[in-house]
Amino acid sequence: GAGVSQSPSNKVTEKGKDVELRCDPISGHTALYWYRQSLGQGLEFLIYFQGNSAPDKSGLPSDRFSAERTGGSVSTLTIQRTQQEDSAVYLCASSLRQGAAKNIQYFGAGTRLSVL
Amino acid sequence: GESVGLHLPTLSVQEGDNSIINCAYSNSASDYFIWYKQESGKGPQFIIDIRSNMDKRQGQRVTVLLNKTVKHLSLQIAATQPGDSAVYFCAARPSNDYKLSFGAGTTVTVRA
Repeated sequence: GAGVSQSPSNKVTEKGKDVELRCDPISGHTALYWYRQSLGQGLEFLIYFQGNSAPDKSGLPSDRFSAERTGGSVSTLTIQRTQQEDSAVYLCASSLRQGAAKNIQYFGAGTRLSVL
Repeated sequence: GESVGLHLPTLSVQEGDNSIINCAYSNSASDYFIWYKQESGKGPQFIIDIRSNMDKRQGQRVTVLLNKTVKHLSLQIAATQPGDSAVYFCAARPSNDYKLSFGAGTTVTVRA
């Protein structure tokens, strides 16, 4: 596609349920990033993929959070046993390749997660 | 690590005036800086970037200024338009890192 695509755009779930958020990066982009944005806040880095591997998972808030990427393309962020504090907008970004001097990250529209 | 902060959380500007949004960073190793614009319900949109070997870069109606001495950068928007109303984020990273550190954002409101 022309840009980064995320689905669903909105997700309402009950506390304790698992959720999966999907990201389709820009075609040809090898680097993929997940961020979390709480209301009125900046972006909090969660995890980064180069190809299918995630060299840095340090931003994941807890072991309830996990992410994978398959085929060097689509990525899924999974939150298990959701809590109300997980409510936020989850943003995905992709960039052409790691190591490029500029490496501009292009963002999707995000998934707004609401945990009741 | 890097800490990025914006000086003012909100900015109200008259249509047609110039806007200046300021940002400070803490890590002297940061050498790549980028500004994003985020409209309501959308993801951040790339505006302009600058590397530390420059102190000024211009785009269409936007200029980014970088002062490495005081670790400060600013985004100037010329002839601000209603469509410029949004939240503006600055971000920074060292050249050997992929991780962008974002500020909290400045909400710009354009008055007609």
